[in-house]
Amino acid sequence: DIQMTQSPSSLSASVGDRVTITCRASQGISNYLAWFQQKPGKAPKSLISAASSLQSGVPSRFSGSGSGTDFILTISSLQPEDFATYYCQQYDSYPITFGQGTRLEIK
Amino acid sequence: QLQLQESGPGLVKPSETLSLTCTVSGGSISRGSYYWGWVRQPPGKGLEWIASIYYSGSTYYSPSLKSRVTISVDTSKNQFSLNLRSVTAADTAVYYCARIWNGYIDNWGQGTLVTVSS
Repeated sequence: DIQMTQSPSSLSASVGDRVTITCRASQGISNYLAWFQQKPGKAPKSLISAASSLQSGVPSRFSGSGSGTDFILTISSLQPEDFATYYCQQYDSYPITFGQGTRLEIK
Repeated sequence: QLQLQESGPGLVKPSETLSLTCTVSGGSISRGSYYWGWVRQPPGKGLEWIASIYYSGSTYYSPSLKSRVTISVDTSKNQFSLNLRSVTAADTAVYYCARIWNGYIDNWGQGTLVTVSS
């Protein structure tokens, strides 16, 4: 199985801050990497696929980069609605695996 | 617009079988190109993929759950289902059904909490 490791596990930031979350795969996955946002009591929401392709309706302050084993999710200017938990997911091969999540909290 | 809706008991006794169904609306399971699957999330924890199925019946299973899980599809009802046998408290979770495109989960149901308790 491909292990996905996110860092940090939690992060405190302020509205307007630039934030980066890292996801590392235990082996190369090309660009088969997705990012999700999850708010309490809600289903995950798809943000990015193919490492950097923004899903329809997702604000442009979100961006993704990386290839191979190292990936980054960047939020350029945090908004109040962005405080949530973020997960990466690899889909290079089955079994599908997720990172452990990064909880983004208000400072 | 595609919608997925989970249904099934919210409480299951230990050692029994957890059975959930996902009803798909706004799109046909038989269309092809997509797998359909289940993901779960224990309270306060992360996401765990369980299984995926194609409309033709081709399946993938999580190695850690494979011995207890069966996923099936009913194209006539535009539904797919999950059976998880011999459940314990560790199987208590929110269960999500999802649409999967080339392994990427692009649509999620709202989720249903299943509690394993006597």
